[in-house]
Amino acid sequence: GQQLNQSPQSMFIQEGEDVSMNCTSSSIFNTWLWYKQDPGEGPVLLIALYKAGELTSNGRLTAQFGITRKDSFLNISASIPSDVGIYFCAGPFNNNDMRFGAGTRLTVKP
Amino acid sequence: DAGVIQSPRHEVTEMGQEVTLRCKPISGHNSLFWYRQTMMRGLELLIYFNNNVPIDDSGMPEDRFSAKMPNASFSTLKIQPSEPRDSAVYFCASSPGSSSNQPQHFGDGTRLSIL
Repeated sequence: GQQLNQSPQSMFIQEGEDVSMNCTSSSIFNTWLWYKQDPGEGPVLLIALYKAGELTSNGRLTAQFGITRKDSFLNISASIPSDVGIYFCAGPFNNNDMRFGAGTRLTVKP
Repeated sequence: DAGVIQSPRHEVTEMGQEVTLRCKPISGHNSLFWYRQTMMRGLELLIYFNNNVPIDDSGMPEDRFSAKMPNASFSTLKIQPSEPRDSAVYFCASSPGSSSNQPQHFGDGTRLSIL
């Protein structure tokens, strides 16, 4: 079936380090979305990507829409404690069914 | 501006009881989505509406689940009768467009515990 694989599942890093996570899909996507979820809250959109090869930044966050349209990457530079949370990639299968990755749980040690 | 508003934030009830979750989408948004989040299965789309009409309910787990959107500013997700395996966080989200390509804005969820 159609799958969206996100890795790594979890990361434990030191404050100041850079972070990289990615998602791959079994199908071609026209849109890639990256969300962050803090404890007790709903996911919040970080970055939206609409074009293959697109590289978009939002502060210390940078995301890329893979050329093959089957993958996307999210990088966080110079991590800080408030970056802690779960990061989700998401994309629409068949333009009608938004699927979410299983999430990358980020822990930042001060 | 107000975001997506869900109520209640927490619900604890005994199995067999009816549970009703409520959602007020962002004003002007045309699409509304209900999700369920668990540790085992992550975020799952249950159903989504476009202009108050249910478009895809293939994610609704069983007939015990039903959702309605009587107008553009209100939706409910009902579970009757509830079971312990329904325990999860239920999110409502809305988006401005008619396609699920559009980024969705999430509420803070309802944490449901069925005893």
